Amino acid sequence: AQSVTQLDSHVSVSEGTPVLLRCNYSSSYSPSLFWYVQHPNKGLQLLLKYTSAATLVKGINGFEAEFKKSETSFHLTKPSAHMSDAAEYFCVVSAAGGYQKVTFGTGTKLQVIP
Amino acid sequence: KAGVTQTPRYLIKTRGQQVTLSCSPISGHRSVSWYQQTPGQGLQFLFEYFSETQRNKGNFPGRFSGRQFSNSRSEMNVSTLELGDSALYLCASSLVVSGANVLTFGAGSRLTVL
Repeated sequence: AQSVTQLDSHVSVSEGTPVLLRCNYSSSYSPSLFWYVQHPNKGLQLLLKYTSAATLVKGINGFEAEFKKSETSFHLTKPSAHMSDAAEYFCVVSAAGGYQKVTFGTGTKLQVIP
Repeated sequence: KAGVTQTPRYLIKTRGQQVTLSCSPISGHRSVSWYQQTPGQGLQFLFEYFSETQRNKGNFPGRFSGRQFSNSRSEMNVSTLELGDSALYLCASSLVVSGANVLTFGAGSRLTVL
């Protein structure tokens, strides 16, 4: 069994300040973890993925995430928010090996204040 | 390399009608999954197809059905439409990369039921 919890449904930051979007997971197997971003009326775009290699994963647009097994967390960060980062972000877990069911978090809406 | 193509992008139907949505995956991707996204329920998994076989199904009524063709293109059908079926329907094709099931999403089909 697997699940993913996004701890904040809404996050608001000022432009130029750091972004932290929190995600906790549970999985019976070694997980693969992903962050996706969705801008209004668009599909989901892959930001970054963790697949049991380096625990600090760098993605597109300056985002990165750190896999912490002891804390079962995969938080998304960015040093400095841009207005274009305003969107909804989804944390996703997939069990590695065999049939890989994908489970989505409920999403975090990021607001960037000018 | 072409992405995931969903058609139509927008459509309006009335209650009781039926609708068919189409999804063309990235070339070489054999898995296609469908999701319904609404403001109230968020992103919900509908079903997944792999090599023309339904591999997993979400918790939706039988009015929702799908199929996959030999070229991996997929269609989903909703019969006897209800107001609550108004949603963004997202299709994703996937490929296993480094042991991870990586989803690539289309832009979605926005269905409005009047």
